[in-house]
Amino acid sequence: EIVLTQSPGTLSLSPGERATVSCRTSQSVSDNYLAWYQQKPGQAPRLLIYGVSSRATGIPDRFSGSGSGTDFTLTISRLEPEDFAVYYCQQYDSTLWTFGQGTKVEI
Amino acid sequence: EVQLVESGGGLVQPGGSLRLSCAASKFTFSTYSMSWVRQAPGKGLEWVSFIGTSGSPIYYADSVRGRFTVSRDNVKNSLYLQMNSLRDGDTALYYCARGYLSNSFDYWGQGTLVTVSS
Repeated sequence: EIVLTQSPGTLSLSPGERATVSCRTSQSVSDNYLAWYQQKPGQAPRLLIYGVSSRATGIPDRFSGSGSGTDFTLTISRLEPEDFAVYYCQQYDSTLWTFGQGTKVEI
Repeated sequence: EVQLVESGGGLVQPGGSLRLSCAASKFTFSTYSMSWVRQAPGKGLEWVSFIGTSGSPIYYADSVRGRFTVSRDNVKNSLYLQMNSLRDGDTALYYCARGYLSNSFDYWGQGTLVTVSS
């Protein structure tokens, strides 16, 4: 099973600042099967990025994903008030989907 | 807009059973794979089970294999999760999620809460 480790656990920033969330996998991710989700309190997760760097429908271009192999990054170029939330990375490998433990982006 | 509505959660004793349902609408259900993902209170996301468009393939997380059974009815546009031999650790909000590109999940329901407690 591939283990996903996100860092930092919590990111304290202000609106307008840049946020960078890291996701490291215990084995290389195949076929770019790496996604990012945003979750706000009391809400279901929302898909932000799939295939490492493709934005999902309706996702603003301030969100971007990058990386390869075992190191992946979600970047929010300029934080808006609505971006303060928990972010999860997720990968797929050999009939198993796994998530990172989450990174809280707080004010 | 795509809609996924889960139901069937509740309070159950350890060792008991529950059947969750997910009603899908506003998309062609039969052409999408589906998964169940759960989230224990205050914790992260854990994938539980996957089912292909026609009912196969089917995959399970190790934590539920042999106890949970996923199924779907493409006529009723519904996804199901039969949960047997429930344990305290199965307490969570259970989401159904639609399969998307690169094995991601693009739409999620609001979840149904399962509480396993004596």
